[in-house]
Amino acid sequence: KAGVTQTPRYLIKTRGQQVTLSCSPISGHRSVSWYQQTPGQGLQFLFEYFSETQRNKGNFPGRFSGRQFSNSRSEMNVSTLELGDSALYLCASSLASGQVQETQYFGPGTRLLVL
Amino acid sequence: AQSVTQLDSQVPVFEEAPVELRCNYSSSVSVYLFWYVQYPNQGLQLLLKYLSGSTLVKGINGFEAEFNKSQTSFHLRKPSVHISDTAEYFCAVRNTGNQFYFGTGTSLTVIP
Repeated sequence: KAGVTQTPRYLIKTRGQQVTLSCSPISGHRSVSWYQQTPGQGLQFLFEYFSETQRNKGNFPGRFSGRQFSNSRSEMNVSTLELGDSALYLCASSLASGQVQETQYFGPGTRLLVL
Repeated sequence: AQSVTQLDSQVPVFEEAPVELRCNYSSSVSVYLFWYVQYPNQGLQLLLKYLSGSTLVKGINGFEAEFNKSQTSFHLRKPSVHISDTAEYFCAVRNTGNQFYFGTGTSLTVIP
């Protein structure tokens, strides 16, 4: 079974631009979560999507948004990029079955550099 | 709300020595606990998890962790480390609402 895939793997943008990142979950997984990882802050939760609906949201400004498609693939968008948005963006998928054994499986991440 | 504290940001250890990476969490309700490892330029990989039952959990690559409810801790241990264990390790808590909270990570460096 293929793992979580994220595209692109690397991205360079300039301040003020916008960017869209893509995540394809493991087949059969219905929940997709996004995290921002920086050296100073560690992993910070952005949001979770389940069945095309945002189910949970972290403490990030409205410039960060996302969506999920009917095939569970998810996209994350960041508008009006700032230097501080430079980070590794990780996507994780899970079955969202509600079972105790629920585990998140992570993709390799998209490394975004804002100049 | 839950929070996770990893007490050591960096842990250097000699090859074949034992290691313990510490993790404490705060929660007033039942939680599920996880340890993930991140190798350079890669995503996170699940090492082990505690859901219920035995408080000693064994994971991949010879790692184990012990859940201590009274001390709200979930420390990760390995009796003998290898060079290949050099990586970033993250402790995480999942609540019943399926939301994960991660610690800030511990960088383990194995010295030959």
